[in-house]
Amino acid sequence: NAGVTQTPKFQVLKTGQSMTLQCAQDMNHNSMYWYRQDPGMGLRLIYYSASEGTTDKGEVPNGYNVSRLNKREFSLRLESAAPSQTSVYFCASSDKETQYFGPGTRLLVL
Amino acid sequence: QKEVEQNSGPLSVPEGAIASLNCTYSDRGSQSFFWYRQYSGKSPELIMSIYSNGDKEDGRFTAQLNKASQYVSLLIRDSQPSDSATYLCAVGYSGTYKYIFGTGTRLKVLA
Repeated sequence: NAGVTQTPKFQVLKTGQSMTLQCAQDMNHNSMYWYRQDPGMGLRLIYYSASEGTTDKGEVPNGYNVSRLNKREFSLRLESAAPSQTSVYFCASSDKETQYFGPGTRLLVL
Repeated sequence: QKEVEQNSGPLSVPEGAIASLNCTYSDRGSQSFFWYRQYSGKSPELIMSIYSNGDKEDGRFTAQLNKASQYVSLLIRDSQPSDSATYLCAVGYSGTYKYIFGTGTRLKVLA
């Protein structure tokens, strides 16, 4: 039982490049989330998916898109990366109340 | 605007002491409350959840909730150097799937 997995672990992008962060969970959870974590800012919700086939914006959605591919997978796409998107990205899934986090992706945009 | 406030710390306590971490929240509609621990460079891991007023104990950890005063706290008894981490408070709302996280309190347990 791997829980929540994320790929890649670390990525360096140039401004304007695009990339997709992958997330998968094997806990049969309905809800999945993408957060970013910046020093002094805590965890901020980018997008979430309450169930397969639905997605909604969180607190900081600008510059991002998401796809809930199936119940297991929830991807986050940066179409044109900006230095302000340098951050640590966490994916999480939940069974109604409790959220379980993946190991994170460290993204550096130059 | 729903807000969750935590003192950023660091909170330094000697080994064996009780560490007390506090969190206040702004929205009285809050229904569920969580404490996560996050080691440097790692992901948050759930320590405690609490839903009703009062205390909830789990080993060395006790969560305390006071909805009237809109605060939730975490007590760590017999603190160990391995408890040194950032502790995140999160607040959930009934009928939604979202948490609001505080910015976390950094705890340092001195050997």
